[in-house]
Amino acid sequence: QKEVEQDPGPLSVPEGAIVSLNCTYSNSAFQYFMWYRQYSRKGPELLMYTYSSGNKEDGRFTAQVDKSSKYISLFIRDSQPSDSATYLCAMGHNTDKLIFGTGTRLQVFP
Amino acid sequence: DVKVTQSSRYLVKRTGEKVFLECVQDMDHENMFWYRQDPGLGLRLIYFSYDVKMKEKGDIPEGYSVSREKKERFSLILESASTNQTSMYLCASSQGRPPHEQYFGPGTRLTVT
Repeated sequence: QKEVEQDPGPLSVPEGAIVSLNCTYSNSAFQYFMWYRQYSRKGPELLMYTYSSGNKEDGRFTAQVDKSSKYISLFIRDSQPSDSATYLCAMGHNTDKLIFGTGTRLQVFP
Repeated sequence: DVKVTQSSRYLVKRTGEKVFLECVQDMDHENMFWYRQDPGLGLRLIYFSYDVKMKEKGDIPEGYSVSREKKERFSLILESASTNQTSMYLCASSQGRPPHEQYFGPGTRLTVT
């Protein structure tokens, strides 16, 4: 079993939809949770960083962490074609490595 | 803004060649990382470094070495390139420990023929 599981998609939604992207994990020691956005042929870009359970909002993006269920989510409101990208979750604890999900490809069509 | 740059966007090399991938960051970050990214496998850590002249093995160090002679520069070396090293290589940097807020460069797509 992988430490971090992420549905590869693709997830295809119309412009304006609310998008939900999810990751599950098995290591209860994870304390730091991140979401990265990666456009085609580019490096990942840090979108959201959260520590511990709860919600964090930044504009149209909301990151949610449920440690009891070992489940994290990224919600995108009012999705735009420019949001079309691969979204990677990543997590870590008090060691030096990040563990990445394999990414979910999102397509937002006009 | 953090800027991480990589020396090449695309590189084609022959089997057995020695390959150097360079990474430079301009934010005085302590930590630097090399990953490779392959479809279905995600990002896998090759090597990382917390300080000049220090290096630590990641999850897949075999066939690679690194060099960090200056704080801002971290080089990945493929001593004798093989076709199974064809991949996207990503460099990242971060500050502090644990080094979790990592900032990535644009990547180098390496093809070994």
